[in-house]
Amino acid sequence: GAGVSQSPRYKVAKRGQDVALRCDPISGHVSLFWYQQALGQGPEFLTYFQNEAQLDKSGLPSDRFFAERPEGSVSTLKIQRTQQEDSAVYLCASSLLGTGGLAVQETQYFGPGTRLLVL
Amino acid sequence: AQKITQTQPGMFVQEKEAVTLDCTYDTSDPSYGLFWYKQPSSGEMIFLIYQGSYDQQNATEGRYSLNFQKARKSANLVISASQLGDSAMYFCAMRETFTGGGADGLTFGKGTHLIIQP
Repeated sequence: GAGVSQSPRYKVAKRGQDVALRCDPISGHVSLFWYQQALGQGPEFLTYFQNEAQLDKSGLPSDRFFAERPEGSVSTLKIQRTQQEDSAVYLCASSLLGTGGLAVQETQYFGPGTRLLVL
Repeated sequence: AQKITQTQPGMFVQEKEAVTLDCTYDTSDPSYGLFWYKQPSSGEMIFLIYQGSYDQQNATEGRYSLNFQKARKSANLVISASQLGDSAMYFCAMRETFTGGGADGLTFGKGTHLIIQP
């Protein structure tokens, strides 16, 4: 497919379980972003990759959250020892270019999200 | 302080009418980009329109236009001839130049829930 894909679309986890969320960006896109969207809120930035390098992880809420993109394409967001407050939609986005002066005009294309519910 | 403010939590509009969704922003960065996204109930964020801080003209994309007033720091989305399929959440977002030490992603507002009535 041409767009960003994410899997699974829905995930139910028991409190304390580890989860892994996958993102397949648009082919050839250099930049990849993860966002967390709580119910009724706008998305909030979690972390950013340029190719395989994680350049910004300032939005990760705790050290239980870990993201990787080892080959510069597919990315995985892992949440260890899930808590109820982790329940949210996790959105992945990609854009063609990396950081730099033109980055502000780069459109980010979003995937359908993974809806995580922690019981 | 909120970087992106959307003051209309919800709006009801009659089909075929024009609608304006408000967005104000706060930044000291001279170079930034403003984006509007649509999020239907399916959850996917759909890009609608972009406005750069240095753009001289207001952006337009089909039925969407952006009323950009830089001095007032506002970037309102105008949808002309609204359709039933326009019913969705609408988010205003900003990306500032990455100068190091700041978040590199988009900063979103809380959104406006638009409902188009027949």
